[in-house]
Amino acid sequence: SQTIHQWPATLVQPVGSPLSLECTVEGTSNPNLYWYRQAAGRGLQLLFYSVGIGQISSEVPQNLSASRPQDRQFILSSKKLLLSDSGFYLCAWSVGQKGGWEKLFFGSGTQLSVL
Amino acid sequence: AQKITQTQPGMFVQEKEAVTLDCTYDTSDPSYGLFWYKQPSSGEMIFLIYQGSYDQQNATEGRYSLNFQKARKSANLVISASQLGDSAMYFCAMREGSGGFKTIFGAGTRLFVKA
Repeated sequence: SQTIHQWPATLVQPVGSPLSLECTVEGTSNPNLYWYRQAAGRGLQLLFYSVGIGQISSEVPQNLSASRPQDRQFILSSKKLLLSDSGFYLCAWSVGQKGGWEKLFFGSGTQLSVL
Repeated sequence: AQKITQTQPGMFVQEKEAVTLDCTYDTSDPSYGLFWYKQPSSGEMIFLIYQGSYDQQNATEGRYSLNFQKARKSANLVISASQLGDSAMYFCAMREGSGGFKTIFGAGTRLFVKA
């Protein structure tokens, strides 16, 4: 069965420090991968998605970047964190379903606090 | 532009009763999928149910059903026989056929189930 691993679960970082959040998927090949951010009490905002190794699409211009060095690995990074980068970050994956719509499978999330 | 609106920030329901969570959407794409996700306090997003724009019948998954009214652009979630474990945030989401891999989410509704 497919599983998604996301770490760390919580992270407290000072302003101006770098960031690296990692997500890996097991049990499937060539998944579509996504990074979402959820502000407190709000809905999810799509940050990046990837349909293959090295292929990254950015939805919102910001202080963050994403990379996909391997088929089932997705990394969210920042060189210098801002206070506004605080939030709950969720990694997700999907695969094309013939005759249906792709549903998203989410990781357990990372709560990032930038102080 | 695609948009999801959830107008109920919070809802209360008595255990064992049914509850309807509202969702309206806006899109000019004739082909789209509508989804509902549940987010318990643990933070992980859990897929519940989906409806395609061309599906003739309302989707059902166990105690969950989606009341799809295409002309009114609404996709309300109905939870029957509420349980204490249903207390969570619920998000309505949409993906357009022409929108690539982008799934957008509403702001969510927090459901409280009372014993």
